Amino acid sequence: DAEITQSPRHKITETGRQVTLACHQTWNHNNMFWYRQDLGHGLRLIHYSYGVQDTNKGEVSDGYSVSRSNTEDLPLTLESAASSQTSVYFCASSEFPKAYNEQFFGPGTRLTVL
Amino acid sequence: DQQVKQNSPSLSVQEGRISILNCDYTNSMFDYFLWYKKYPAEGPTFLISISSIKDKNEDGRFTVFLNKSAKHLSLHIVPSQPGDSAVYFCAASEVTGTASKLTFGTGTRLQVTL
Repeated sequence: DAEITQSPRHKITETGRQVTLACHQTWNHNNMFWYRQDLGHGLRLIHYSYGVQDTNKGEVSDGYSVSRSNTEDLPLTLESAASSQTSVYFCASSEFPKAYNEQFFGPGTRLTVL
Repeated sequence: DQQVKQNSPSLSVQEGRISILNCDYTNSMFDYFLWYKKYPAEGPTFLISISSIKDKNEDGRFTVFLNKSAKHLSLHIVPSQPGDSAVYFCAASEVTGTASKLTFGTGTRLQVTL
C-alpha cells in the first residue's frame, strides 16, 4: 500500500544545531507540503513543492529550507535550530488535479529544541 | 491574519447526540472546504469536503454545510460516537498555479462522552 512516512518520529536537539527531518511518500504525488502544528495556531504551511526541483515558501518559512531532488522525498532542514521551532511537524502529499484537493499526511515528527 | 477560524477550541457531546463544529473564513477565493480529523500521535486524515458551488455534502454520519454569504461552514456528526473523539480541523483550498494549498483553522477538540 502507498504511504507517507516521516523520520525520526521524535527528535531532541540543541539551539544552533542543523536538523533535517525526512519525508518519504510512495503515492507518486507531485505535490508535497510541510506543516507545523502549534497550540492556538493549528497547522501552518512552512514550504511546499509542486514537483522535482520546485520549492516554494509558505506562511512560516523563516529558518527552514527544503529541496526536491526526486518525486518521493522532501526533506525539511532547520538551518540553525531555535527554541521557537519546537513543534510537531507534518509532511503531506497530494495529487492534482483532484476535485477535493485531499492531502495525505504523515504521522508527524515531534521536535524539541533545548 | 487568520483566514480560517474555529472559534470553539473544544466541544463535549453525549454519545448518540449531534455534534456541530463550526468554521468561519474570510477569503472569498477559497474554492473547496475540507474537514480533517486528527487523533493524538497521528497525522490528520481527510474526513469530508464541499465545493464552494454547493451548500451541503453528506457522507454517512457526517454532513458539511456551507453558507457562502456568511462565509461559514459547519460539520454535523449524527449520531456521535466515542470513536469520534478527536481534534477536527477545518481547511480551505485555493488553487494557485498548478496545485492547491490548504489553509487550516486552529482546530476544535471534540469529546464524545458515554
